[in-house]
Amino acid sequence: NAGVTQTPKFQVLKTGQSMTLQCAQDMNHNSMYWYRQDPGMGLRLIYYSASEGTTDKGEVPNGYNVSRLNKREFSLRLESAAPSQTSVYFCASSDPGFNYGYTFGSGTRLTVV
Amino acid sequence: SQQGEEDPQALSIQEGENATMNCSYKTSINNLQWYRQNSGRGLVHLILIRSNEREKHSGRLRVTLDTSKKSSSLLITASRAADTASYFCATGLGYQKVTFGTGTKLQVIP
Repeated sequence: NAGVTQTPKFQVLKTGQSMTLQCAQDMNHNSMYWYRQDPGMGLRLIYYSASEGTTDKGEVPNGYNVSRLNKREFSLRLESAAPSQTSVYFCASSDPGFNYGYTFGSGTRLTVV
Repeated sequence: SQQGEEDPQALSIQEGENATMNCSYKTSINNLQWYRQNSGRGLVHLILIRSNEREKHSGRLRVTLDTSKKSSSLLITASRAADTASYFCATGLGYQKVTFGTGTKLQVIP
């Protein structure tokens, strides 16, 4: 099925470990996004990529890096995980005319201990 | 910082009743969206309304936008148990830095 695929679905890290969250979309969307969702906080934008080859910071970029590998893939890297990064991470993409809002992946639940 | 804020935070109704959720925002926007999130799942786009539109319908959903009051409402008519979910509004000037509210948790009792 067309959509946004995120891997892994669950992950437990120890403080200081690194990991990369993967995201791929097959809808030929130009723009892709990474959000985190915390209880009572709604979704907050970490980074976004308006098009292949560009990335920009969102509201909460500290502690994260991103790579827009190609038009389909947008990865999020935690270089040195901290307990404050325990969250649910969502990747999303949007069509060029923004006629249908964001299409979200199913999320990655990350726990840092 | 949150741009859109939903009200109420939680809502419990009987199946068949209508559910109304409100969203208020602070700064100028050119689009407002509503999303649904079932427990443990990703968000699903429901409807997008642009700043030059006042009302939009999609199936049992009706969205209104009042830019003078900086507010929007989402009405779900003839609710079903399957409508139980959290509902979020999202606002933006463009589409790159859309800001989400904290959501309304709707429970529809069969």
